[in-house]
Amino acid sequence: GDSVTQMEGPVTLSEEAFLTINCTYTATGYPSLFWYVQYPGEGLQLLLKATKADDKGSNKGFEATYRKETTSFHLEKGSVQVSDSAVYFCALIKGGSEKLVFGKGTKLTVNP
Amino acid sequence: KAGVTQTPRYLIKTRGQQVTLSCSPISGHRSVSWYQQTPGQGLQFLFEYFSETQRNKGNFPGRFSGRQFSNSRSEMNVSTLELGDSALYLCASSLASYTDTQYFGPGTRLTVL
Repeated sequence: GDSVTQMEGPVTLSEEAFLTINCTYTATGYPSLFWYVQYPGEGLQLLLKATKADDKGSNKGFEATYRKETTSFHLEKGSVQVSDSAVYFCALIKGGSEKLVFGKGTKLTVNP
Repeated sequence: KAGVTQTPRYLIKTRGQQVTLSCSPISGHRSVSWYQQTPGQGLQFLFEYFSETQRNKGNFPGRFSGRQFSNSRSEMNVSTLELGDSALYLCASSLASYTDTQYFGPGTRLTVL
C-alpha cells in the first residue's frame, strides 16, 4: 500500500539555522503531497502542498519540491525561529481513497 | 470563516463504556474525515463521509462507527471502549474531493481508564 517515510528526529537546532526534514513516499499513480505542522496541544495545520511533479509549495519561509524521480518531498527553511518548534508531518493523498497517509512525524525544537 | 470545531475537547471514560464525538466542518465543506492519533501508531485514517454517505473506511474494528448529517456535521462513536482507544481524535473537513485541502480541527483527547 501507499506509505510515507520521514526522518523521525527529534531534531534540535539553534535559531537561524538551516532546516531540512526528509520525506519520501511510496505510491502508485500521482499523489498530492503535503506538509502539516502540529503545535503542542493543537490539531494539524496545513503548512504547504504540491499537487504534481516539480511543483514547489511554500509558506512562511518553508519550501518543499515534489520530486517524482526520487519520490521525495523534503521540507526546508533557511532560517528557523523558536516559534517553529513543533511536530511536522509529511502526507500524501490519492484519488479514489480520499484519505491522507501520514509519516510518523518529526519533532523540531529550536533553541534561542 | 470559522474553522473546524470539535466537541468535547477532552473526555475521560472507563473500559466498556461508549463515547460519541462531534465535528462541525467549515461552512460549505461537504467532506468530513476522522483520524486517530496515538504515540505508537501515529495518525491513522478512520473513515470519511460525503453527503451523509461513508465513502471510505480505514482498518478499524466495527466498534468504531460514524455518521454525517444533512448539514455536514459528523459524529463518530466508539462502543465497548478499550484502553487502547485512548488517543487524540482529529476531524478534518474539505470541500468535496481528494484534490481539496483537508483542514483539521483541534481534536478530542479521549482517555480510557
